[in-house]
Amino acid sequence: EAGVTQSPTHLIKTRGQQATLRCSPISGHTSVYWYQQALGLGLQFLLWYDEGEERNRGNFPPRFSGRQFPNYSSELNVNALELEDSALYLCASSLGTSGGDNEQFFGPGTRLTVL
Amino acid sequence: GDSVTQMEGPVTLSEEAFLTINCTYTATGYPSLFWYVQYPGEGLQLLLKATKADDKGSNKGFEATYRKETTSFHLEKGSVQVSDSAVYFCALSDPYQGAQKLVFGQGTRLTINP
Repeated sequence: EAGVTQSPTHLIKTRGQQATLRCSPISGHTSVYWYQQALGLGLQFLLWYDEGEERNRGNFPPRFSGRQFPNYSSELNVNALELEDSALYLCASSLGTSGGDNEQFFGPGTRLTVL
Repeated sequence: GDSVTQMEGPVTLSEEAFLTINCTYTATGYPSLFWYVQYPGEGLQLLLKATKADDKGSNKGFEATYRKETTSFHLEKGSVQVSDSAVYFCALSDPYQGAQKLVFGQGTRLTINP
């Protein structure tokens, strides 16, 4: 069974541009999560989508946005890129049940570099 | 809000040494607890988990016990190998907060020397 996939693997943009990152969850998973792993800042929760709806977002500005498609894949958009947006962006998926142990499975990540 | 505090790294050990990485948490509900591992250049992999007090998670020789009284979930391994070199993250999920997000500790970089 295929795991969580992310594309592209690497993305280089310049300040002020927009970046689009994509994620395909494990088959049967309805929840998708996005996390940012910036150097020295650990893993920070960005967004959670379930059944096509945004369910929760972390403490990030509105220029971080995304969506979930009917096939449960997801897109993360970062507008007006800033240098500090350079990070590894990790996508995870889960069965999306409320409660329970919420086991999340992670993709390999997209390395975004802003020049 | 919920938080996870992990032992500061980096940690360097010799092969076959005993490993402990401390992790404590604060949560308003009854969280599930996780240890994730990140090998160089890769994403996160779930190492083990525990969903209720006194549960012991184990995998690949690693163990951690959910201690509600001390709000801890320390990771242990009796004899580490060079291949265990990675960054280890303790995390919690508190569904009673109405959110499914994982809250991570800062990570502990482990290096095992032959």
